[in-house]
Amino acid sequence: DQQVKQNSPSLSVQEGRISILNCDYTNSMFDYFLWYKKYPAEGPTFLISISSIKDKNEDGRFTVFLNKSAKHLSLHIVPSQPGDSAVYFCAASAWNTGNQFYFGTGTSLTVIP
Amino acid sequence: KAGVTQTPRYLIKTRGQQVTLSCSPISGHRSVSWYQQTPGQGLQFLFEYFSETQRNKGNFPGRFSGRQFSNSRSEMNVSTLELGDSALYLCASSLNGGENTEAFFGQGTRLTVV
Repeated sequence: DQQVKQNSPSLSVQEGRISILNCDYTNSMFDYFLWYKKYPAEGPTFLISISSIKDKNEDGRFTVFLNKSAKHLSLHIVPSQPGDSAVYFCAASAWNTGNQFYFGTGTSLTVIP
Repeated sequence: KAGVTQTPRYLIKTRGQQVTLSCSPISGHRSVSWYQQTPGQGLQFLFEYFSETQRNKGNFPGRFSGRQFSNSRSEMNVSTLELGDSALYLCASSLNGGENTEAFFGQGTRLTVV
């Protein structure tokens, strides 16, 4: 049972435009959400996180939005750069499961120069 | 500060054999988690160790086991390998066992079972 879902396997965006990656979850116990970026043959790299007490968190070009009522979060990258081309995973954890993270299946982002 | 180190990077094993993978977490990190990544499945949680104790376990058969040493280094063992065990195995370390702590991943061990 996939508790974290990324329904778009791939996304292509022009350089300089906004990239929006989406993620849905089903478990209402999730209270911490993260985005990871992964290049081939490397481990995931932490990008940005958000706690359920917030609805937005920004870090430079990256902003994560959380809509708890819809059980939906999104990652905005503005402006998109060719180096952002990678697979992006969203992940979630619950307060009572320690460091067990539930991951989506990933969205492959391609930024076209 | 050194990152998470996983060894070996690549491994080829035969069905029925067993394998041991190693993970050295970031210095000072006490929590180590293991994940399996297969195409189309994302990352699936195997187990987490904190202070040498398994704290959480995912939905994997008992052929998958692990342990953590007093220096926080962790090993994962898979016995009686099956073709379906071919995957990228990722180790992640976290500072402590508390809430809202991001995990830092190693580069992974690519296991191929033939």
